[in-house]
This record gives sequence, structure tokens and C-alpha cells, in this order.
Amino acid sequence: KQEVTQIPAALSVPEGENLVLNCSFTDSAIYNLQWFRQDPGKGLTSLLLIQSSQREQTSGRLNASLDKSSGRSTLYIAASQPGDSATYLCAVTQGGSEKLVFGKGTKLTVNP
Amino acid sequence: KAGVTQTPRYLIKTRGQQVTLSCSPISGHRSVSWYQQTPGQGLQFLFEYFSETQRNKGNFPGRFSGRQFSNSRSEMNVSTLELGDSALYLCASSLVGGSSYNEQFFGPGTRLTVL
Repeated sequence: KQEVTQIPAALSVPEGENLVLNCSFTDSAIYNLQWFRQDPGKGLTSLLLIQSSQREQTSGRLNASLDKSSGRSTLYIAASQPGDSATYLCAVTQGGSEKLVFGKGTKLTVNP
Repeated sequence: KAGVTQTPRYLIKTRGQQVTLSCSPISGHRSVSWYQQTPGQGLQFLFEYFSETQRNKGNFPGRFSGRQFSNSRSEMNVSTLELGDSALYLCASSLVGGSSYNEQFFGPGTRLTVL
């Protein structure tokens, strides 16, 4: 059974800092990994999708890497801003299904 | 291009009642999945539909059911509501079900409160 873990559960940083969020999964046989952002009481916003054959994806100040063999992904946020404050979730798919298996998320607070 | 829409956004029901939630995927998307989000359990998969067929089902009791229509819109139904069913219910759509390389997009959710 696939399990996804995100560490840390919460993170507080000053504005401008570069930071890394971690995601690990137990079964390396994934099809893709997707990072999402969730603001309080809202739905999920897709940030980046990494296919299993890819090593990284970049979008603006965000960079996500994937090491499938070790079961790890990292989300790098450069020059953090207060507007980046949210919960960040990673999720994986497997076996030809659209089913996403989620981690519990990292709650990020960026202080002005 | 309109995103995933979910109706209603908020619902308050009492124990024993039933409820129907609706999801309209992004135009052209044929795969719809449903998730339940609670503070204790996080995001848990309910079902996945593609071309009106349920392709996958999560570990939820039979009180939870769903369906998909020919226009890809989907509904989920919860019968005999329990207090523990209070949650944010999220719907996701993707372009083509089954390839799993497709980015999934979520709606704003329906907040269900059971009293």
C-alpha cells in the first residue's frame, strides 16, 4: 500500500528565505507526482507535475525534483513571500489510475 | 477556460439525511475523481469515473456512491449521514483517464456539516 509522508508538518520562515519542502513515498512504482497548494478552506491548486521519467520541473520560483528510486521529491521555493503562506501537499499516482495518494501536507508560514 | 465547479459550496444536514453533491469538470476532461478531506485523516480517495464508468473506489462504506453522466459531470451521494461525514468534499478532473500522466485540477470543494 502506497504511503506518502511530508516533513516537516509545519514551517515558519522570514520573507526572502529560500526553502525546501520534502515528500517521500514508500512504493517507487509511481506514474507521476504532483505538488499542490491549498489555502485555508479552499480547494487545491496544482503547482507542478513530474512524470515518473522526469527528474525535475520548474515554474517561476518553484522547482520540484523527483528521485523515484529513493522514493523522494523536494519542492524548492526561492525568495519566499508572505503570499506563499499555505499548506503544500504532494501526491502520487500509480497503476494506470487517476487516484492520487496524498501526504498530510506541510503548512508554510512566511513572515513579513 | 472555466475551472472545475462544485455545487453547492456549503451544506448543513442532520444525521440520517442524505445529500447529493455535484461536480462539473473542465471542458473536455473526461475523468472525474472525488476526495474527502478531514483534519484528522487528510485527503482520502472516494471514487474515480471515466466515460460514465467507475474505474476505482476507495475504502468507504456503501453509503457513499457516485455516478458520471454522458457530459462528464459527476454526482456523489451520501445516504444516512453520520456526524463523521462532516468534511470538505473535493472533486478533481483530468483530460483523459487512464494514462496517469495528466495533471489533475481540483474544484473549490463542498463543505458538508452534519449536525
